[in-house]
Amino acid sequence: QVLLQESGPGLVKPSETLSLTCSVSGGSIRNGTFYWSWIRQPAAGGLQYVGRIFPRGGTNYNPSLQSRVSISLDASKNHFSLKLTSVTVADSAFYFCGRVTTVVIGGLITPSYFDSWGPGTLVTVSS
Amino acid sequence: EIVLTQSPGTLSLSPGERATLSCRASQSVSNNFLAWFQQKPGQAPRLLIYGASSRATGISDRFSGSGSGTDFTLTISRLEPEDFAVYFCQQYGRSPWTFGQGSKVEIK
Repeated sequence: QVLLQESGPGLVKPSETLSLTCSVSGGSIRNGTFYWSWIRQPAAGGLQYVGRIFPRGGTNYNPSLQSRVSISLDASKNHFSLKLTSVTVADSAFYFCGRVTTVVIGGLITPSYFDSWGPGTLVTVSS
Repeated sequence: EIVLTQSPGTLSLSPGERATLSCRASQSVSNNFLAWFQQKPGQAPRLLIYGASSRATGISDRFSGSGSGTDFTLTISRLEPEDFAVYFCQQYGRSPWTFGQGSKVEIK
């Protein structure tokens, strides 16, 4: 059974960079049948897709965050990371990491549904 | 992006009753790539249904999903005390993936 765990600072100052890591246990992040993703949820709000990464290469980001977000993967540490630059109070939220299954459609590996989530970590943007 | 609208916002029911939650998409969801999640306070969302109608591993058969195209439904046949929570739908057929705003099932 795969387990995911987010870690990182709980408080970030406005205009600075938010950095989080998702550690994966119970399975290798190199496994080419999964994508790895970040989702966030403001304290009183709904869920927002942030982005995803595929171990064989390739990232996809929410266009609303694309100019500020990057997701990377470190197979040697079996974790993946999120960086969000120039944060404002609007970026305060619970941040979840998730594993995404894949299906083959037309011979292409296609991302499918979230099957595992980390417990989440609260990040507050405040001076 | 595809906007998902869930209704009702809040559903007040008693244990043993049937809950029917709706999720309507602004555009057709490719391959019926629609999932339903349950979320309780302080917890991450938990996958219930994927592909509009397939139950995730370990999920009770009290939960069922149906629908296609732009209209989807999650049904909980007989509410148990642990089912009172917030439910989200999510489409993963077209980027950016999007979520509905959630429907809360509360104890009447």
